[in-house]
Amino acid sequence: GAGVSQSPSNKVTEKGKDVELRCDPISGHTALYWYRQSLGQGLEFLIYFQGNSAPDKSGLPSDRFSAERTGGSVSTLTIQRTQQEDSAVYLCASSNPGGSYNEQFFGPGTRLTVL
Amino acid sequence: KNEVEQSPQNLTAQEGEFITINCSYSVGISALHWLQQHPGGGIVSLFMLSSGKKKHGRLIATINIQEKHSSLHITASHPRDSAVYICAVRRFSGTYKYIFGTGTRLKVLA
Repeated sequence: GAGVSQSPSNKVTEKGKDVELRCDPISGHTALYWYRQSLGQGLEFLIYFQGNSAPDKSGLPSDRFSAERTGGSVSTLTIQRTQQEDSAVYLCASSNPGGSYNEQFFGPGTRLTVL
Repeated sequence: KNEVEQSPQNLTAQEGEFITINCSYSVGISALHWLQQHPGGGIVSLFMLSSGKKKHGRLIATINIQEKHSSLHITASHPRDSAVYICAVRRFSGTYKYIFGTGTRLKVLA
């Protein structure tokens, strides 16, 4: 597609449920990033993929969070046993390491609300 | 202390005013990215730079690598410029992950 897409755009779930967030990067972009923006807070890094491997998972806040990427394209961020503090906007970005500055292009985000 | 600091945190201006948003960082970087985020909206890339100055329309971004400082200027500001402006730096690391400033919330009044 023309840009990074994410789905769903909004997700409301009950505490304790599992959720899956999807990211479709720009075609050909081998690098993919997940970030989180909590209400009133800045953006924080969660995980980085190069191809299908994740060399940097340092930002994942707990073992309830996991992510995978298949076919070097679509990525899924899974949050198990959601907690209210997981409520945030989850943003995905992709880049082409061969491109100028390795500029990251952001998706529209998924707003997650945990009741 | 955050590795990336922005100032001011909030800024209200009258339409037509010249606006400056500052970003200072304390780590070695390979590039700096200025981003714009509208309320409820996604993030739009404005500039990515590693030296000197870039201009696009009414927006100008400058960076001084030695002083570890960048500025984003908006000339002839307009209410549609109202948004959160975020500075992100990319470190010298293999992952190229960003470290973000906390953002500057700009409101331009008509």
